[in-house]
Amino acid sequence: AQSVTQPDIHITVSEGASLELRCNYSYGATPYLFWYVQSPGQGLQLLLKYFSGDTLVQGIKGFEAEFKRSQSSFNLRKPSVHWSDAAEYFCAVGGYNQGGKLIFGQGTELSVKP
Amino acid sequence: DVKVTQSSRYLVKRTGEKVFLECVQDMDHENMFWYRQDPGLGLRLIYFSYDVKMKEKGDIPEGYSVSREKKERFSLILESASTNQTSMYLCASSVAGNTYEQYFGPGTRLTVT
Repeated sequence: AQSVTQPDIHITVSEGASLELRCNYSYGATPYLFWYVQSPGQGLQLLLKYFSGDTLVQGIKGFEAEFKRSQSSFNLRKPSVHWSDAAEYFCAVGGYNQGGKLIFGQGTELSVKP
Repeated sequence: DVKVTQSSRYLVKRTGEKVFLECVQDMDHENMFWYRQDPGLGLRLIYFSYDVKMKEKGDIPEGYSVSREKKERFSLILESASTNQTSMYLCASSVAGNTYEQYFGPGTRLTVT
């Protein structure tokens, strides 16, 4: 069955430090991959997406993610974290096998220390 | 600016009550979705609709029903609320042909006592 795993439930980084959030997926075909962010009290917002092509994708707010097929991973990165990045981050997978539906990971909550 | 609104941010209901959660989008989107969000479980799809009066079950439809009489409005109904339906409920919408890039509302936190 298709699934998404985010191994880290909660991560704390210092402001200005680099960030990497991990995402591993299980999918029987070429997946479509997404990262969404949920700021406190708000709905989810799409950060970036991968459908095909270049395996390094750029998103909004200075985020990027790299698709590594051999590792079944789609990790999210940011070189320098800002306090406003504190939020919950969700990785998701979709594709034809899913009938157009998204499967979400459990989420990683990011805290930013001043 | 695209917008998805949900009728209530917080709702408290009693066990056995019939509960309506309303969602409205102003983007003329064809697809609409209802999820529930629980700590440690991420988002799970309850129902989705790809057109007026059309609906499809998601991964956890039991105990829920939906209604879509107008394109912009998608309602989630709990016929007889139970305590295990205490959760955050999120509505989303997307354009036809792209079910992955979804726009989300702020959520309704429902507590069933």
